[in-house]
Parts: sequence; C-alpha cells; structure tokens
Amino acid sequence: GAVVSQHPSWVICKSGTSVKIECRSLDFQATTMFWYRQFPKQSLMLMATSNEGSKATYEQGVEKDKFLINHASLTLSTLTVTSAHPEDSSFYICSALDRGSSYEQYFGPGTRLTVT
Amino acid sequence: AQRVTQPEKLLSVFKGAPVELKCNYSYSGSPELFWYVQYSRQRLQLLLRHISRESIKGFTADLNKGETSFHLKKPFAQEEDSAMYYCATPPKDYGQNFVFGPGTRLSVLP
Repeated sequence: GAVVSQHPSWVICKSGTSVKIECRSLDFQATTMFWYRQFPKQSLMLMATSNEGSKATYEQGVEKDKFLINHASLTLSTLTVTSAHPEDSSFYICSALDRGSSYEQYFGPGTRLTVT
Repeated sequence: AQRVTQPEKLLSVFKGAPVELKCNYSYSGSPELFWYVQYSRQRLQLLLRHISRESIKGFTADLNKGETSFHLKKPFAQEEDSAMYYCATPPKDYGQNFVFGPGTRLSVLP
C-alpha cells in the first residue's frame, strides 16, 4: 500500500526556536495533505489542509503565523512550528490524500515534539 | 455540514465477547464513511470503508441510513483489538477535509 513518511519522528527543542517537520508521500502523488495534532488519549484535531501550489487552509483557532505550512511539490509538505513554546508539545501527524484511490487517506507515523 | 459522533470514549469488553463501537453521522447527500484504527505506538490506518462492504480482522460495519449510523462490530473480541478507533467521513469536494469522530478507546480484557 501507499506509504507516507514523516521526519523527524521525535524532536526536542528549546522554547523560542523553530522546528520543521516534513511529510512525504513515497509512492504516490498527493495534491492534498492534512496536518493533525493529537494530544494524549484524545482524538485527532485537524490543524490545516495543504493543497499543492496554493496556500494552506487553517482550521479555526489555529494560528497560521505560528504553524507555517508549505506544500511545494506533489510529494512533500512541511509544517514549521515557529517560536515554539512548551504548550506546542504534542504529537503531529500528517496524512496524504490519494485521489486516485477513492479518497483513501494515508497517515504518516507522526512526529513527537517536545519543547523545553 | 458533515458531523460524526462516537458516544463512547472508552469501551471495555472481555476477550471473546462481542463488541460494537458506535458511530452516528450527519451528512448531506449520499454518505461515505470510514473506520480508522490506531494501535498503541503505531500510525493511524484505514480499517474499513462502507463502500467496499468488506470485513477486516473480523470487523464489519453496516451503514444504516434510517438511524444514520455506521457501527463497527466484531462477534468475538481479541486482546490485539485493543486500540483507538475513529469513525470518519471523507471530503465531499476538492479542498475540503476529513471529519473525524472523537474516537473510542477499545480495551479487550483477558
């Protein structure tokens, strides 16, 4: 089946620094990628929808200047957490939509961000 | 707007017992519904979708338009079924997103 990778899988950074997370679709083209945040034992919270070649659409309450999303190619989307704070510590998951497969969505393994 | 609800946050059953994870939806037009599963420390993965009417790992789900439900069922739960289960509807149009339910944590006790 289709594979989505995320890098890094785990990152620890200091408060005030920025962190970039990559999401790649390895064997298919994804015109749309989603970024989610998951708090422990809670559901996925959609942060933004990223369409290749256009600006990301952010969900209500998600700061677009803090969570920068770039979807520059059909296989890569990046999420940059700028000026990170401890409350940004979370599990970030991306997924990619394979439109050739009846809207099947493939999820990355996630990136655990810890801000100290 | 599409909505998905899963009324149970946590469901515990004994091994071998039947299990039913509830999902209700509100959807305009012909509904499409998926069940996703996330095992501990693993990525989210598609379990099944209503359109294919398949059975995966012994789980089935039937779309009931009258009750607007898509409950996930398994006649005999196994310990390895313990996981987080999400009901979801896919985007209807380009640029829209998936709508996930809040999830139900299934715990199968020995």
